Amino acid sequence: AQSVTQPDIHITVSEGASLELRCNYSYGATPYLFWYVQSPGQGLQLLLKYFSGDTLVQGIKGFEAEFKRSQSSFNLRKPSVHWSDAAEYFCAVGAGRRALTFGSGTRLQVQP
Amino acid sequence: SAVISQKPSRDICQRGTSLTIQCQVDSQVTMMFWYRQQPGQSLTLIATANQGSEATYESGFVIDKFPISRPNLTFSTLTVSNMSPEDSSIYLCSVGKTGDQETQYFGPGTRLLVL
Repeated sequence: AQSVTQPDIHITVSEGASLELRCNYSYGATPYLFWYVQSPGQGLQLLLKYFSGDTLVQGIKGFEAEFKRSQSSFNLRKPSVHWSDAAEYFCAVGAGRRALTFGSGTRLQVQP
Repeated sequence: SAVISQKPSRDICQRGTSLTIQCQVDSQVTMMFWYRQQPGQSLTLIATANQGSEATYESGFVIDKFPISRPNLTFSTLTVSNMSPEDSSIYLCSVGKTGDQETQYFGPGTRLLVL
């Protein structure tokens, strides 16, 4: 069975600082990997996805993520965080045309 | 991406009643799913809404409690039946578009509070 682990429940960074959110997955084959963001009171917005090819993927809002097969990781990064980035971030793994398995989420707080 | 709307956006319901949530997509989609997000929790899949056949439910979810309809390729409903306070959650539908079915796009969610 596939699973996703987000080891950091809550992260606080200063505005302008860099950010890295960790995600580890367990899956028997090549996974489809996703990062979603959920702002307070909102649904989930897709930030980026990885299916194959270049292991460094660019997403919206200046985010990027790197797939590392040897570490079973798909960490999300941003070089300079903005106050509007405060939200809940979910890593998810998929298996083609099936529902996604989500991590427990990481809540990001941005200090001025 | 896909434009997905859900109705109602939020509701407060009494114990023992039922609520039907609608999910409308702006284009035909192959895959539609329903998820539940309990307060402070991650998303859990309730069921896959299959067009023209019964929904496929995940372990722990049953059709009598969460009946689902999918009459066409752009619309689905989820009913939360005989509600209890434990059903207070955000309910989200997601879709996988034709030609991009591996990617799921989410609706804005329905925030349900059961008193």
